[in-house]
Amino acid sequence: SAVISQKPSRDICQRGTSLTIQCQVDSQVTMMFWYRQQPGQSLTLIATANQGSEATYESGFVIDKFPISRPNLTFSTLTVSNMSPEDSSIYLCSSAGQETQYFGPGTRLLVL
Amino acid sequence: GENVEQHPSTLSVQEGDSAVIKCTYSDSASNYFPWYKQELGKRPQLIIDIRSNVGEKKDQRIAVTLNKTAKHFSLHITETQPEDSAVYFCAAGGGADGLTFGKGTHLIIQP
Repeated sequence: SAVISQKPSRDICQRGTSLTIQCQVDSQVTMMFWYRQQPGQSLTLIATANQGSEATYESGFVIDKFPISRPNLTFSTLTVSNMSPEDSSIYLCSSAGQETQYFGPGTRLLVL
Repeated sequence: GENVEQHPSTLSVQEGDSAVIKCTYSDSASNYFPWYKQELGKRPQLIIDIRSNVGEKKDQRIAVTLNKTAKHFSLHITETQPEDSAVYFCAAGGGADGLTFGKGTHLIIQP
């Protein structure tokens, strides 16, 4: 399985600011995804990060709030924009060679 | 879109007994069904998965069964041990799609 790292591992941010989360995979992968896990909850897919094109967002998530980049097959970023306390969550990236998905360690975000 | 229901939300079993967690899905196009184990403060870890062309898969004490007709799949853990205590998530998806997760089952192994 691919080794996935994320930066930062955690952060505390003020409302109205933005945070960019980085995800690095140690090998080229076909698919990369971003998920959100709110405290004590399950995982919810935010979007598919497409290499060289705009991300594909799930219902309830929009590009203005969660802009995503994927400049190559091993790296992606997720920005959480104009944050509010409701954005406090764990954000996880995942990678998939075919269908099997492995997760990064997550970024724990607290918005005050 | 896909909808995954998972039951029970909490399961307490005696050490050494078996545990069964059940999931149903709604989208007949889903063809990939993984199970993840998540310990407190850690990332979800893939423990077993099954594809729609297979009815059952086993890996040591863990097995998964799939009934495509009923859109139902289950996780079976035998001879449970204290280290099996965690939250377990089922998911459904396939191809280039991301995964839709169930709400999770908190498995408690009683000594």
